[in-house]
Amino acid sequence: GQQVMQIPQYQHVQEGEDFTTYCNSSTTLSNIQWYKQRPGGHPVFLIQLVKSGEVKKQKRLTFQFGEAKKNSSLHITATQTTDVGTYFCAGPWEYGNKLVFGAGTILRVKS
Amino acid sequence: DGGITQSPKYLFRKEGQNVTLSCEQNLNHDAMYWYRQDPGQGLRLIYYSQIVNDFQKGDIAEGYSVSREKKESFPLTVTSAQKNPTAFYLCASFRGVREVNTEAFFGQGTRLTVV
Repeated sequence: GQQVMQIPQYQHVQEGEDFTTYCNSSTTLSNIQWYKQRPGGHPVFLIQLVKSGEVKKQKRLTFQFGEAKKNSSLHITATQTTDVGTYFCAGPWEYGNKLVFGAGTILRVKS
Repeated sequence: DGGITQSPKYLFRKEGQNVTLSCEQNLNHDAMYWYRQDPGQGLRLIYYSQIVNDFQKGDIAEGYSVSREKKESFPLTVTSAQKNPTAFYLCASFRGVREVNTEAFFGQGTRLTVV
């Protein structure tokens, strides 16, 4: 069945370093979404990518959707302590209308 | 303000009891979902509903039940058949997974503990 894999599972960086999380689907996705969950909080929508090869930026965050629409990445430039949390990717299940989440990448930032 | 509300925020359950978690939204969304999150883990889908009076099992539906009698409400019952119910439960709603410019709105979550 369809799987959405996310790596790495965990990353601990020094403040100011860059960070990247990768999301790979076993099937082509019509769109992909990214969410951030702060410790103790709930997931909050960051962005949706729809087009093949699409790149979107939000300040220090850069999101990419692969040409084949089967992979995506989130890159944070010069991490800050406010970036800590878990980042999830999510995409539509190929056979129906449920939203499938990746396992998430936990980001910790040392100041 | 439009949003999605979960209650209670914290819930304690004795073994053998059924408990019901509330989820209400006033966003006029058709789709509502329940996820379970264990510490340091991702989101696992329990049940989801695309329309009133219809719902489907997710990946871990055993020991849970839901109803969707109103568009705004999607309560989740954790039954005594769920052997390890201690977890963080998240409810979400959105217009539709395949729509452009859609996003899932999550409630604040309910933290359930078996005592």
